[in-house]
Amino acid sequence: DVKVTQSSRYLVKRTGEKVFLECVQDMDHENMFWYRQDPGLGLRLIYFSYDVKMKEKGDIPEGYSVSREKKERFSLILESASTNQTSMYLCASSLGQANRYEQYFGPGTRLTVT
Amino acid sequence: DAKTTQPNSMESNEEEPVHLPCNHSTISGTDYIHWYRQLPSQGPEYVIHGLTSNVNNRMASLAIAEDRKSSTLILHRATLRDAAVYYCILPVDTDKLIFGTGTRLQVFP
Repeated sequence: DVKVTQSSRYLVKRTGEKVFLECVQDMDHENMFWYRQDPGLGLRLIYFSYDVKMKEKGDIPEGYSVSREKKERFSLILESASTNQTSMYLCASSLGQANRYEQYFGPGTRLTVT
Repeated sequence: DAKTTQPNSMESNEEEPVHLPCNHSTISGTDYIHWYRQLPSQGPEYVIHGLTSNVNNRMASLAIAEDRKSSTLILHRATLRDAAVYYCILPVDTDKLIFGTGTRLQVFP
C-alpha cells in the first residue's frame, strides 16, 4: 500500500515564525501536492510538483513556498506564519502524469498559528 | 471549467445500499469523473473514477449517465465505516482536482 506520511499531526506556532511541514511518500511517485482544508471551503491546492526541483503554483500559493530536493519528500514552508494560515494541511502524491488524478493523501497536519 | 453539484448530506441505515448523486452538466468529452471520500480526522481517500462506462471496484460502483451529465456512486451495503464526506470531482485544466464541499453521508446502525 502507498504510504504518505506527514511530520506532525498537530502543530502550534506563533505569528511570524517560519514553519516547515514535511511530507514523505514511499512508493516512488512522481507527483506530489500540498492542499489546505478549511470548513466550508473544501480542499484548496497550494502547490504541486511533478519532479524533483520542479514546482507549480496551485490556487492559493501566496504566503507559502515549497521545496522538493528528493523525489520522496515535498516540504511546505510558511516563511512568516500568520493567523489566517491556521488550517488543516494535507499532502498527497500520485504515480505519474497518467495517474495524476488518483492521489494518495497523508493524514494531515492541523496547524494553529497564535 | 466543469463544476459538480452534490447534496450536502444523506443518510442511510447499515447494510442498505446507498446512491450518492452528482450533477456535472458542463462536463467535457474527455473529463474523467473521480470520487474520493474523507473519513473523520483522515485525509481524503480515492474511491473510483470513470469516463463513460459504469465501473466497479472493491469499494464501490460508479454509474455514469448516458449523456455524462450526472453520475452516481453506489455503495452496495453501507457500513458504519462508510460514514464520510464523499466528493465528486472533475479535473480542472490538466493538472488539478478541485474538491468542493461534498456530501456528508451518515450511516445509522
